[in-house]
Amino acid sequence: GEDVEQSLFLSVREGDSSVINCTYTDSSSTYLYWYKQEPGAGLQLLTYIFSNMDMKQDQRLTVLLNKKDKHLSLRIADTQTGDSAIYFCAVMFSGGYNKLIFGAGTRLAVHP
Amino acid sequence: GAGVSQSPSNKVTEKGKDVELRCDPISGHTALYWYRQSLGQGLEFLIYFQGNSAPDKSGLPSDRFSAERTGGSVSTLTIQRTQQEDSAVYLCASSLLSGNTDTQYFGPGTRLTVL
Repeated sequence: GEDVEQSLFLSVREGDSSVINCTYTDSSSTYLYWYKQEPGAGLQLLTYIFSNMDMKQDQRLTVLLNKKDKHLSLRIADTQTGDSAIYFCAVMFSGGYNKLIFGAGTRLAVHP
Repeated sequence: GAGVSQSPSNKVTEKGKDVELRCDPISGHTALYWYRQSLGQGLEFLIYFQGNSAPDKSGLPSDRFSAERTGGSVSTLTIQRTQQEDSAVYLCASSLLSGNTDTQYFGPGTRLTVL
């Protein structure tokens, strides 16, 4: 079945860049998403990328997609303590229904 | 405008009891989804509604789980004879189903604890 993998934990210093990586198996996926979850809160959509794009930039966020390797990354520039959260990679299932397949989430810890 | 809302925000129940979880999607959103997030896990797809019908129920873990949607709006997820392994955060999302993006917007979730 479809699978999405993420590393579970990332620790960065405030002001540095963070790079969160994701790999997936469904090569027909059309849209790929990044969601942010803060403690006790629901999921907040951060950004998404269409599969025919290589890169998308939105302020401090840069999404890179390597479709050949089925690898997606999220780069956060100038990481702040408010960026501390769990980041979920999600891939739209291409099997006819619009369900998202999520990774287990990467916990980002930002320290001074 | 208002986002996706869910109620209750927290529910504690005893093993064997039935529970009902409610989701109010964003007004005008045709599609509605239920997911489950167990402790330390990613999100597990449960069910998808397009309007009032559910073309994909493949994620429901057992026949104790059911969901309905009436009037193309509010949805309820019912868990009968709850078990401790049902303890999780249940998240609802809705989307416009317009064009190809179909971006899903999530509610805050209902945290279910089965004692």
